Amino acid sequence: GQQVMQIPQYQHVQEGEDFTTYCNSSTTLSNIQWYKQRPGGHPVFLIQLVKSGEVKKQKRLTFQFGEAKKNSSLHITATQTTDVGTYFCAGSRYSTLTFGKGTMLLVSP
Amino acid sequence: NAGVTQTPKFRVLKTGQSMTLLCAQDMNHEYMYWYRQDPGMGLRLIHYSVGEGTTAKGEVPDGYNVSRLKKQNFLLGLESAAPSQTSVYFCASSYVAGDTGELFFGEGSRLTVL
Repeated sequence: GQQVMQIPQYQHVQEGEDFTTYCNSSTTLSNIQWYKQRPGGHPVFLIQLVKSGEVKKQKRLTFQFGEAKKNSSLHITATQTTDVGTYFCAGSRYSTLTFGKGTMLLVSP
Repeated sequence: NAGVTQTPKFRVLKTGQSMTLLCAQDMNHEYMYWYRQDPGMGLRLIHYSVGEGTTAKGEVPDGYNVSRLKKQNFLLGLESAAPSQTSVYFCASSYVAGDTGELFFGEGSRLTVL
């Protein structure tokens, strides 16, 4: 079945450092979504990418969708303590989403 | 605006007991989903529904049943709970098909099976 892999599993940064998480699929995706889950919370939608090579920005967050629509990345510039949480990508090929295992981000002040 | 509400939020069961988790959404969404989240495993789809009266199996459906008798409610049942079903369960809904639109998640239900 479809697999969506995320790396790294975990990253600890100092506040102000940049952070990137990568998502790779074994199959071509129709689109990819990104979610953030704060500790003890529920996943919250961040963004959806649909087009090959698409790049979208939300303030300090930059999202990319690969040209082959099999990979994606989320980059956070100058992390803040409010960025703490687990970031999930979720890929779609047919009618449902398959989530990656997530990247847990810790930010030390 | 409540969004997606799950009850109960916490439950402890003994092996072999049964229970039902209730998910209610007030956004008039057609699509509803049940996921389970285990440490290091991400979110795995158990069952989903594309509209009132419909249900379909997801990635990990064994040991669970669901019903969608009303559009706003999606019930997840465990007929005979097992320790392997200890998990955090999330319900989600979406206006369009979940692979093309944003999922709105409930706050989760933490289930422990002893």
